[in-house]
Amino acid sequence: EVQLVESGGGLVKPGGSLRLSCEASGFSFSTFTINWVRQAPGSGLEWLSSISSSGSYIFYADSVKGRFTISRDNAENSLYLQMNNLRAEDTAVYYCARDGYGTYSFDSWGQGTLVIVSA
Amino acid sequence: QSALTQPASVSGSPGQSITISCTATGSDVDDYNSVSWYQQHPGKVPKLMIYDLNARPSGVSNRFSGSKSGSTAFLTISGLQLEDEATYYCSSKTITNTRVFGGGTELTV
Repeated sequence: EVQLVESGGGLVKPGGSLRLSCEASGFSFSTFTINWVRQAPGSGLEWLSSISSSGSYIFYADSVKGRFTISRDNAENSLYLQMNNLRAEDTAVYYCARDGYGTYSFDSWGQGTLVIVSA
Repeated sequence: QSALTQPASVSGSPGQSITISCTATGSDVDDYNSVSWYQQHPGKVPKLMIYDLNARPSGVSNRFSGSKSGSTAFLTISGLQLEDEATYYCSSKTITNTRVFGGGTELTV
């Protein structure tokens, strides 16, 4: 069974940093592109970033470019999101989501981890 | 900047069919062959319902179908059931290999 488990969320002050993790199991992690997607309270889904299977190709949404960094460790079956200079508007549930093989759809999602940015 | 526009809400009665539109505004959304659709119940994780415009993942009911016309993609749900009541999001790849979601459509059955 495909499983994605996020961790690392919590309360952080504006301007602070946080590192999210996503641990994968049940599939060959090193062969899939993985994404970060967030959802602010009461709002829709927002794609943030993707990283290719080898880590060679990385893309970001304009809203987080320069502040967030995606990375992965295929030996550890883990995905990361380093978030710096956090703002109140970054408050959201953060999901990791796997691309379907050969597609640009998000076929498996973690349960999400909540990040609250507040003084 | 690319965006996908969806109606805020749609409604239908059990047994009826509804269609949700997803229109690209902006010039850098992909050619729609990468459009996917997601169902999200309140407090739950999004679930993939349609990928590659009109393909259904294993386990998704054939009451769900995808199509397109011009720069608009559509999700059609036939034989509406109470359990279909949820928010639906479309998504697409852009020509710069980023992704974008529509704003979501709340379906009331």
